[in-house]
Amino acid sequence: KAGVTQTPRYLIKTRGQQVTLSCSPISGHRSVSWYQQTPGQGLQFLFEYFSETQRNKGNFPGRFSGRQFSNSRSEMNVSTLELGDSALYLCASSSLQGAPAFFGQGTRLTVV
Amino acid sequence: AQSVTQLGSHVSVSEGALVLLRCNYSSSVPPYLFWYVQYPNQGLQLLLKYTSAATLVKGINGFEAEFKKSETSFHLTKPSAHMSDAAEYFCAVSGSNDYKLSFGAGTTVTVRA
Repeated sequence: KAGVTQTPRYLIKTRGQQVTLSCSPISGHRSVSWYQQTPGQGLQFLFEYFSETQRNKGNFPGRFSGRQFSNSRSEMNVSTLELGDSALYLCASSSLQGAPAFFGQGTRLTVV
Repeated sequence: AQSVTQLGSHVSVSEGALVLLRCNYSSSVPPYLFWYVQYPNQGLQLLLKYTSAATLVKGINGFEAEFKKSETSFHLTKPSAHMSDAAEYFCAVSGSNDYKLSFGAGTTVTVRA
């Protein structure tokens, strides 16, 4: 059974640009959540989707957005990138409601 | 709002010694509690979770944790450390009806030969 797949693994962007990250959950999982990990702030919840609906959102500015498709794949978008957006972005999936057991390897975003 | 505090950002143990990682939670409602492990350049892997069933929870790789309501604690232990246990460990909490995790700051474990 394939795990949670995140693409790309590494990304370098310039301030002011926008970026889209992709996450494919484990087959059959309908819940996808996103987390940002930085040395300073640690792991912080971004948002969670279930059956294409956003059920919960963390305390991030509106530049951070996401969506989920009918096949449960999810994307997150960050517009007008800032240096502080440099982080490891982790996606997780679960089959039922509740906290995720399976995380992807993450996308490491560097903003220069 | 729920939160967790991990005591000690770094723990160093000898191979074969007890591993004890401390986590205290703060929650206004009965919490769900979790321990995750992160190896370098990897995502998070769930070690174990408490969801109001048995207070002693056994997880993977020989780890276990005990939920103590009176102490608001959920400490993680492993009787005998192995070199492969060197990693960063995160305690996390969620409510029973929400879908987001609040993580502690993490504890890095080093295992000495």
